[in-house]
Amino acid sequence: QKEVEQNSGPLSVPEGAIASLNCTYSDRGSQSFFWYRQYSGKSPELIMSIYSNGDKEDGRFTAQLNKASQYVSLLIRDSQPSDSATYLCAVPNSGAGSYQLTFGKGTKLSVIP
Amino acid sequence: SAVISQKPSRDICQRGTSLTIQCQVDSQVTMMFWYRQQPGQSLTLIATANQGSEATYESGFVIDKFPISRPNLTFSTLTVSNMSPEDSSIYLCSVEDRGVRNTEAFFGQGTRLTVV
Repeated sequence: QKEVEQNSGPLSVPEGAIASLNCTYSDRGSQSFFWYRQYSGKSPELIMSIYSNGDKEDGRFTAQLNKASQYVSLLIRDSQPSDSATYLCAVPNSGAGSYQLTFGKGTKLSVIP
Repeated sequence: SAVISQKPSRDICQRGTSLTIQCQVDSQVTMMFWYRQQPGQSLTLIATANQGSEATYESGFVIDKFPISRPNLTFSTLTVSNMSPEDSSIYLCSVEDRGVRNTEAFFGQGTRLTVV
């Protein structure tokens, strides 16, 4: 059974600091990796996707992928209180011909002003 | 990305009753997915809805409890039948967006269900 593991947190960082969120996955065949942000009471919002080893930057967000270690991370630079949310790591269930996702339990991030 | 409208956004229901949740997409999509998010938990896939065929259910979910309709390529419904308090969750509709290079998944606003 495919597994996606995350630290549940909460992770607290001061405003302006770098928040580092980590995720490991069990399926070595996984090719796509996603980070969703979910504010309390809201639905998940896709913020980053990464498909190749290395770093991918988008504004204050950087996703890092290491397929050999089965590890994907999300860095948030210059953290803002508005970044306070739960961050979900998701990996597609490959081979089914459709885009079902397995989610980690999520890491709750609190950015302290 | 596809725009997904889901309704109702929330409801409070009596145990033993049923609730039908609707999901409308602004473009034609092959697959639609229904997820459940129990309080304080992550998302769990309930079933995959493909137009023109029966939905495919994940382990632990059955058609009698969660019947799904997919009458066309832009619409699906999920019914939560014979509800109990354990069904209190957020139910989310999702679609895959097959871009030129990659495929990504997007979610509707969710339906927050409370069963009393």
